[in-house]
Amino acid sequence: GENVEQHPSTLSVQEGDSAVIKCTYSDSASNYFPWYKQELGKGPQLIIDIRSNVGEKKDQRIAVTLNKTAKHFSLHITETQPEDSAVYFCAASFSNTGNQFYFGTGTSLTVIP
Amino acid sequence: GAVVSQHPSWVICKSGTSVKIECRSLDFQATTMFWYRQFPKQSLMLMATSNEGSKATYEQGVEKDKFLINHASLTLSTLTVTSAHPEDSSFYICSARARAAQGFMNSPLHFGNGTRLTVT
Repeated sequence: GENVEQHPSTLSVQEGDSAVIKCTYSDSASNYFPWYKQELGKGPQLIIDIRSNVGEKKDQRIAVTLNKTAKHFSLHITETQPEDSAVYFCAASFSNTGNQFYFGTGTSLTVIP
Repeated sequence: GAVVSQHPSWVICKSGTSVKIECRSLDFQATTMFWYRQFPKQSLMLMATSNEGSKATYEQGVEKDKFLINHASLTLSTLTVTSAHPEDSSFYICSARARAAQGFMNSPLHFGNGTRLTVT
């Protein structure tokens, strides 16, 4: 089955700096890679996703890059704000048949004002 | 966007009682829903996949008689923790995927807000 690894487990940045979270996956058949943000006591919320036919996707201060050859993808948050503080999870899935998602272990991001 | 509603958001029960958690897809049909369990500061652990109109598929190590799942309609799945014990205390989260016209190609996984279960 798929194995998703995520680094770092914790990350602290100064407000305004950038934050980068990296994930690797093992199954080359995976073709859909979402990122989720989970605030304390709440369920994960989708913040951005990328499919295997695209190398990069950007949505305002958030971007995701995908390297299919190396089987890794990254989340980039620029101009970080205190409200970006949360736990972020990456995931990999083979989306065509609605199969389950495989999640990374999470990154706790703290943005220091 | 697709919304998943989970209820209750928190529940406290006595050891030996059963607790039912509901998961509803509010504006889309979900033929498949997933139930996760999350321990503090840890990732999401898939417990079971709930399929509408058929038996749920449980992950290895998850007791199906302990965690009863019913997916009776395209918008509702329930998880019942039977004869709850303190070790069942956890954060339970459901999720669902909407089926797009092209199948699942353009539909991400949407999560409920979770249920905090405390068994005393």
